[in-house]
Amino acid sequence: DTVLTQSPALAVSPGERVTISCRASESVSTGMHWYQQKPGQQPKLLIYGASNLESGVPARFSGSGSGTDFTLTIDPVEADDTATYFCQQSWNDPFTFGSGTKLEIK
Amino acid sequence: QVQLQQSGAELAKPGSSVKISCKASGYTFTSYYISWIKQTTGQGLEYIGYINTGSGGTNYNEKFKGKATLTVDKSSSTAFMQLSSLTPDDSAVYYCARFEVVLAYWGQGTLVTVSS
Repeated sequence: DTVLTQSPALAVSPGERVTISCRASESVSTGMHWYQQKPGQQPKLLIYGASNLESGVPARFSGSGSGTDFTLTIDPVEADDTATYFCQQSWNDPFTFGSGTKLEIK
Repeated sequence: QVQLQQSGAELAKPGSSVKISCKASGYTFTSYYISWIKQTTGQGLEYIGYINTGSGGTNYNEKFKGKATLTVDKSSSTAFMQLSSLTPDDSAVYYCARFEVVLAYWGQGTLVTVSS
């Protein structure tokens, strides 16, 4: 299975720029997607196809990468962005998720 | 608007089975597959598989073959997942999601607790 590796946690101040990384154990082309999950809620799609912003998601969120290295950027960060962010690949079967990066806003 | 409404929390005994439902509304049910995802604190998010809501055809993650069985009832726009031979490791929140390569719409989740 394709393993997706994310750093476990980050802490930033409001107004700063934050990058969350996701590294795949094998190429997933641009079949990488990003989700935001707040406690007690279901995940919410932010970015699909590595760099495409889901409808209704603020333009503060952006994604980049291809192959094995991907990045989710939030610029500027707001207090409401406190959440866990997951990457997910849909290029290789079975689809897999990263373990999540917990973002704290100081 | 697209909604996926899942059934309520389940408390089950080891060795038993549970069947979770996911009722879709706001779109043509048979135009999109339904995926199922497991979430635990320890293992994170795991993809169980998906079902073709038109044909009933399924694709399972090898890890969940024999554990999960996916079905649909087109007449009620509802997808189901049955989990069998439950063990404490099956305790988790289970989500359904509309599958279109990405998972753009999710149900609210169903908590399954396996305990004697």
